[in-house]
Amino acid sequence: AQSVTQLGSHVSVSEGALVLLRCNYSSSVPPYLFWYVQYPNQGLQLLLKYTSAATLVKGINGFEAEFKKSETSFHLTKPSAHMSDAAEYFCAVDDNTDKLIFGTGTRLQVFP
Amino acid sequence: NAGVTQTPKFQVLKTGQSMTLQCAQDMNHEYMSWYRQDPGMGLRLIHYSVGAGITDQGEVPNGYNVSRSTTEDFPLRLLSAAPSQTSVYFCASSLQGYGYGYTFGSGTRLTVV
Repeated sequence: AQSVTQLGSHVSVSEGALVLLRCNYSSSVPPYLFWYVQYPNQGLQLLLKYTSAATLVKGINGFEAEFKKSETSFHLTKPSAHMSDAAEYFCAVDDNTDKLIFGTGTRLQVFP
Repeated sequence: NAGVTQTPKFQVLKTGQSMTLQCAQDMNHEYMSWYRQDPGMGLRLIHYSVGAGITDQGEVPNGYNVSRSTTEDFPLRLLSAAPSQTSVYFCASSLQGYGYGYTFGSGTRLTVV
């Protein structure tokens, strides 16, 4: 069965620092992978998705993620954090079973 | 183009009451899903549908019913509310599976007292 593990429920960085949010997946077939962002009291917004076209995927707001099959990982990065990046981030996997399964989320705090 | 619309936005129920959370999308999406979001547990799939007349259970289906009589609507029914169903509920839709990604509604915050 497909599953997603997000290491670290909370990550804190200083403004301007590198953001790294970790996601590892479990799937018996090549998966589709997603990162979503949720701002306080809002729904989820798609940041980026991996659909096998390229292993390095660029998303909105300067975020990108790299699919590494050997490590079963899809970590999310941003070179320089901004205060507006403070939110909760969810990794999700879809391995063609008609279901999108989410990780438990990582709350990103950005300090000035 | 409204996207995914959920109503109501907030609801308080007494234990044992029933209610229906409404979800409608105007994008002609085939796939629709219901999730609940609880602190520290991420989003858990309740029920999903791959087209009108077709529904299936997700990870946490107990206490919830769904039906899909039209492509646009996918209501979630709580038959007898329990305090454990206090949560934020999200409806989402996708053109189809296979990596298209889902569009989410803004959520319904439900409290059962």
